[in-house]
Amino acid sequence: QKEVEQNSGPLSVPEGAIASLNCTYSDRGSQSFFWYRQYSGKSPELIMSIYSNGDKEDGRFTAQLNKASQYVSLLIRDSQPSDSATYLCAVSHSSNTGKLIFGQGTTLQVKP
Amino acid sequence: SQTIHQWPATLVQPVGSPLSLECTVEGTSNPNLYWYRQAAGRGLQLLFYSVGIGQISSEVPQNLSASRPQDRQFILSSKKLLLSDSGFYLCAWTTNSNQPQHFGDGTRLSIL
Repeated sequence: QKEVEQNSGPLSVPEGAIASLNCTYSDRGSQSFFWYRQYSGKSPELIMSIYSNGDKEDGRFTAQLNKASQYVSLLIRDSQPSDSATYLCAVSHSSNTGKLIFGQGTTLQVKP
Repeated sequence: SQTIHQWPATLVQPVGSPLSLECTVEGTSNPNLYWYRQAAGRGLQLLFYSVGIGQISSEVPQNLSASRPQDRQFILSSKKLLLSDSGFYLCAWTTNSNQPQHFGDGTRLSIL
């Protein structure tokens, strides 16, 4: 069974701090990795994609990938109360069907 | 640009009634399409996916079915709803196996 593991949280950080979200996956054939943000009652929204080892930065967000350790992380710098949401880690399934394996999500709370 | 539409946004149905949820994608051809269910406070459960017209793969045995009568249309159905069918139903699309999925706004289904 291919799995993606995330700490459910909640992860609580003060406004302006760095939030660090982590994810591990079991499918060594996975090639694509994504982070989605889901506000309560809303659908998931893509915020980052990463395909190769290393860091990828987009504004206040940095995704990090280490395929050897099967580990993906998301850093949010200068956290804002509006970043409070559930963050879903998604990993491509090695079957090449476009299927994604989702983690259960980490709830982030940014306190003013 | 590509857009995805889901309707209705909310639905309240009695136990034993039929169900039809529709999803359409605009601005792309031959997308891969997916139906997910998310129970309250839980992760995403993949129900069905389709890589082409008339091609449906089921991930979880249940009393739901899916159909893809046209390239950009994906329908989720049930002949008789159960209480356990309550949840947030999400449709998603992608262009190929290494690209992220993009979600519709979802349908919140309550069974009474």
